Amino acid sequence: AQRVTQPEKLLSVFKGAPVELKCNYSYSGSPELFWYVQYSRQRLQLLLRHISRESIKGFTADLNKGETSFHLKKPFAQEEDSAMYYCALTGAGSYQLTFGKGTKLSVIP
Amino acid sequence: GAVVSQHPSWVICKSGTSVKIECRSLDFQATTMFWYRQFPKQSLMLMATSNEGSKATYEQGVEKDKFLINHASLTLSTLTVTSAHPEDSSFYICSAPQGSYNSPLHFGNGTRLTVT
Repeated sequence: AQRVTQPEKLLSVFKGAPVELKCNYSYSGSPELFWYVQYSRQRLQLLLRHISRESIKGFTADLNKGETSFHLKKPFAQEEDSAMYYCALTGAGSYQLTFGKGTKLSVIP
Repeated sequence: GAVVSQHPSWVICKSGTSVKIECRSLDFQATTMFWYRQFPKQSLMLMATSNEGSKATYEQGVEKDKFLINHASLTLSTLTVTSAHPEDSSFYICSAPQGSYNSPLHFGNGTRLTVT
């Protein structure tokens, strides 16, 4: 069975401080990992996916198969980063996503 | 960019009545759409996969007869909550992939259902 774990429900950081949102997964095959973000009163949207290896809004995430992790990082947090972040997983050849419980990031001015 | 429109945004209904929620892909075709449910302060839980022209695939524990899904066209999927009860009150979200497998999903804004 596939599972995504986000151990932190809430993460508060000061503006300008580094951010790391943790995500660990359990999957028997080769997973596709994603980070989705939901800003206040907006729809859920894709932030980044591991296969793209890109940086969006200063965020990066590296898939570590040895540690089965896909932590989301940003070197300097900004107030507009405050949102709900969901880590998600899908298997090869599949559309279906399994979501973590989400982490609420609060950036303190 | 691709947009998924979900309607209504919120609905209040009485126990025993049925409610239909629509999910439309506005500028792309989606042979598959997903329906999720989100309880307060909890994550999204996949309820079912809607397939255009065929029966939906339901996740374990989701009642097929209660949550009727119809995917009649390549741009529209509907979720009907039949004989609604207060415990069905929740936030329902649909999503659709634009493209092939592992394509990013586009999400609707969600529908907040309150059953009184």
